[in-house]
Amino acid sequence: KQEVTQIPAALSVPEGENLVLNCSFTDSAIYNLQWFRQDPGKGLTSLLLIQSSQREQTSGRLNASLDKSSGRSTLYIAASQPGDSATYLCAVRRDWWNNDMRFGAGTRLTVKP
Amino acid sequence: KAGVTQTPRYLIKTRGQQVTLSCSPISGHRSVSWYQQTPGQGLQFLFEYFSETQRNKGNFPGRFSGRQFSNSRSEMNVSTLELGDSALYLCASSFTGGSTNEKLFFGSGTQLSVL
Repeated sequence: KQEVTQIPAALSVPEGENLVLNCSFTDSAIYNLQWFRQDPGKGLTSLLLIQSSQREQTSGRLNASLDKSSGRSTLYIAASQPGDSATYLCAVRRDWWNNDMRFGAGTRLTVKP
Repeated sequence: KAGVTQTPRYLIKTRGQQVTLSCSPISGHRSVSWYQQTPGQGLQFLFEYFSETQRNKGNFPGRFSGRQFSNSRSEMNVSTLELGDSALYLCASSFTGGSTNEKLFFGSGTQLSVL
């Protein structure tokens, strides 16, 4: 059974700092991995998707990497801003034929002005 | 382009009642998935529908059911509500659900409170 772990559970940084969020998974046979952002009481917003054949994806100040063999993904946020404060979740999809994704518990990020 | 729409936004029910939640996917999306989110268990997969057929089901009791209509809109039903069913229920849609680069788009959720 796929287990997804995110470390740290919470992170507080001053504005402008670069930071890394970690995600690990136990089964390397994944189809893809997505990073999401969730604001309090809201739904999830997809940030980046990495296909199983890819090593990384970039969007603006965000960069996500994937190392399937070691069961790890990282989300790098450059020059953090207070608006980045949210919970970040990673999710792995194991099969092509369904959207049963396994989520980590998330990292709650606070960026202080 | 409108996003995933879930109604209602909030619901308060009592134990033993039943509830129906609604989800309208992004136009053109044919796959609709449902997830339950609680502080203790996090996000858990309930089921997925594609072309009006349930394609996969998570590990939830039979009190949780769903369906999808020909226009891809989906409903989720929970019968005989229990206190532990209190959660944020999230609906997500994607075009087919079968491509490696297909992102999942979530609605804002329905916050269900069971008293």
